[in-house]
Amino acid sequence: EVQLLESGGGLIQPGGSLRLSCAPSGLPFSTYAINWVRLAPGKGLEWVSLIPNSGVDTYYADAVKGRFTVSRDNSKNTFYLQMSGLRAEDTAVYYCVEGWPQLLYWGQGTLVTVSS
Amino acid sequence: EIVMTQTPLSSPVTLGQPASISCKSNQNLVHSDGNTYLSWLQQRPGQPPRLLIYQISKRFSGVPDRFSGSGAGTDFTLKISRVEAEDVGVYYCMQATQFPRTFGQGTKVEIK
Repeated sequence: EVQLLESGGGLIQPGGSLRLSCAPSGLPFSTYAINWVRLAPGKGLEWVSLIPNSGVDTYYADAVKGRFTVSRDNSKNTFYLQMSGLRAEDTAVYYCVEGWPQLLYWGQGTLVTVSS
Repeated sequence: EIVMTQTPLSSPVTLGQPASISCKSNQNLVHSDGNTYLSWLQQRPGQPPRLLIYQISKRFSGVPDRFSGSGAGTDFTLKISRVEAEDVGVYYCMQATQFPRTFGQGTKVEIK
C-alpha cells in the first residue's frame, strides 16, 4: 500500500519561504511521480506541480511558477516543495499526491498559513 | 488552460436513491496517446481527497461498484446508483490530459 507523509507546514509571513516535505512508502522510490495539490479555505482543489519519476522535467501551475520549486532527494527518499515569495492566497492545505497522469494516492495534507 | 465545469454544485439526495454529476470541459480531453484522462475524486468531510474513477470509467482499487463513470470528448458523468451515508462529501472531476491539471469547482453531495 502506498502511503505519503507530508510535513513542513506552518504560519509564515507574506514574502517568506517554506519547504514542504513528502516521504512516500510502499513502492521503489525511483518509480514515484509526485504532484502537489492544494485546497484553499472555501475554495476547490488546485493542482500546483508535478515531478515525474525521471525527475528531469518539472511542471508548475502559472500561479506558482517562478516562486515554487519541486525536487526529489534520492538519498533521503523524500520529495520537496520549496515555496518562496509567499502570498496570502497561497494559504491552503497542501497535499502530496502520487501518480502520473492520474492522481492515485493522497497524503493527509499539511496546512500552510500566510499571514502577518 | 482547460476549464472544467461541474453541475450541479449542490446535490441533496435521499438515501438509497441515485445521484448524478455532470462535468464538461471546454476542450476535447482525448490525449495524443488515445486515452482520455478524466478522473473523479471524492473528498469526505475531514479527509483528504481520494481517487474514485480514472480514464472516464475505470474504478480505482477498493471503490464500490455503485460508482460509475461515463462520457467522451468534452462531456462526462459520475453516477452513484444508490447513495449511502458514507458518500456524503465533495466530488471533483479533473483532467490530466494537459498541463496544468485542472479541476471542476466541486459538487457537494448531502443527504436530504
